[in-house]
This record gives sequence, structure tokens and C-alpha cells, in this order.
Amino acid sequence: AQRVTQPEKLLSVFKGAPVELKCNYSYSGSPELFWYVQYSRQRLQLLLRHISRESIKGFTADLNKGETSFHLKKPFAQEEDSAMYYCAPGGSEKLVFGKGMKLTVNP
Amino acid sequence: NAGVTQTPKFRVLKTGQSMTLLCAQDMNHEYMYWYRQDPGMGLRLIHYSVGEGTTAKGEVPDGYNVSRLKKQNFLLGLESAAPSQTSVYFCASGGPGSLSYEQYFGPGTRLTVT
Repeated sequence: AQRVTQPEKLLSVFKGAPVELKCNYSYSGSPELFWYVQYSRQRLQLLLRHISRESIKGFTADLNKGETSFHLKKPFAQEEDSAMYYCAPGGSEKLVFGKGMKLTVNP
Repeated sequence: NAGVTQTPKFRVLKTGQSMTLLCAQDMNHEYMYWYRQDPGMGLRLIHYSVGEGTTAKGEVPDGYNVSRLKKQNFLLGLESAAPSQTSVYFCASGGPGSLSYEQYFGPGTRLTVT
């Protein structure tokens, strides 16, 4: 069965601190991997996708196929990063979303 | 482009009532999805469609029906609403034509069943 685990529900840090949002997945084949973000009272939006190997808003995500993990990292968190973050592996038809993690960045 | 739109934004139903949520997209996407979002549960897929006239069950399909009569529209129906269906419902679209299976989300519909 396809499964994704975000082991921490909440993370609270101070501005300027590093953050790591963890994601482990179990998925047959070679899934594409995404991180989605939902700011307060807004719709979900794509933050970054593994295939692009890009850095968005200072975030990067490292794929470890051996550990089947796709952790999201940012070296210096900002207050505007406060949001819900969802990891989502998937294939051509569907994505499987994790339960999400709420990041709060305090001033 | 409006992207993905949902109607209505809010709705309160009484147990046993029925309603239809409308999702529309103007990006010519083949695939469309309905999710529900509940605290601590993340997003769970209700039903999805890989093309006009097709539908398929997702993770939590019971109590819901869908139809995709036009490529740009995806309707979610609740025939007899129950309090357990109180949730925020998100529609999304994507698939061929969008980069690498990315999904684009609507603003959500907040449904309360009393």
C-alpha cells in the first residue's frame, strides 16, 4: 500500500533557526515527490517538486531513495514560513498526502 | 485564468439533506480530484477522474458520488449528509499537460452538517 508518514505534527522555532520537516514514504515503483504548503486560510499550493531539484523560498528537499525519505529543509526560518506543510509522493494519476505538519516561526 | 474554482465557499446542512459541490478548472487538465481535509488527518482522496466521463474511487468514497460530464467540471454530491461529513472539501486538477503530475487546488468549501 502507498503510504507517507510525517512523524511530527507540530514544529515551533524562532526566526532564524534551521528547520527540517521529515517525510518518509512507502510507494511502489519510482514515485514523483512533492512538498505542498498551505498558508493560513489559503489553498494548498505546490512548494517544490523533486524532479526540478530547485530551491523555493529558501527551502530544499533531499531525496534518499535508500531510506525512502524526502525531508524538507531551510537553514534560516522566517515568520512568513508559518504554515501547514504536506509531503506527497505520487504517480501519474494520484498523489498520496501525508497528514501534514504545522510549522510556527516565532519572532 | 481563474485556475480552479469551487462553489459554494460555505454551506451548512442538516442531517439527511443533500447537496452538490461544483469544481471548475480552466487549465484544460485531464485529471480532477476531490479531497476532504480534517484536523489531524491531512488530505484524503474521495474520488477522482482521469478524463471526461470517467470517475474512480479514492481512499474515502463512501457517502459521496461524483460526475464528470464536462472536462472542465467535476461535481461532488452528498445524497444524505451526515455529521461525519463535516469537513473542508478541496478540489484539484492536474495530469497530462501539467508538469510532472502537479495538482492545482481550489480555495475549498467549508461544509458543516448539523
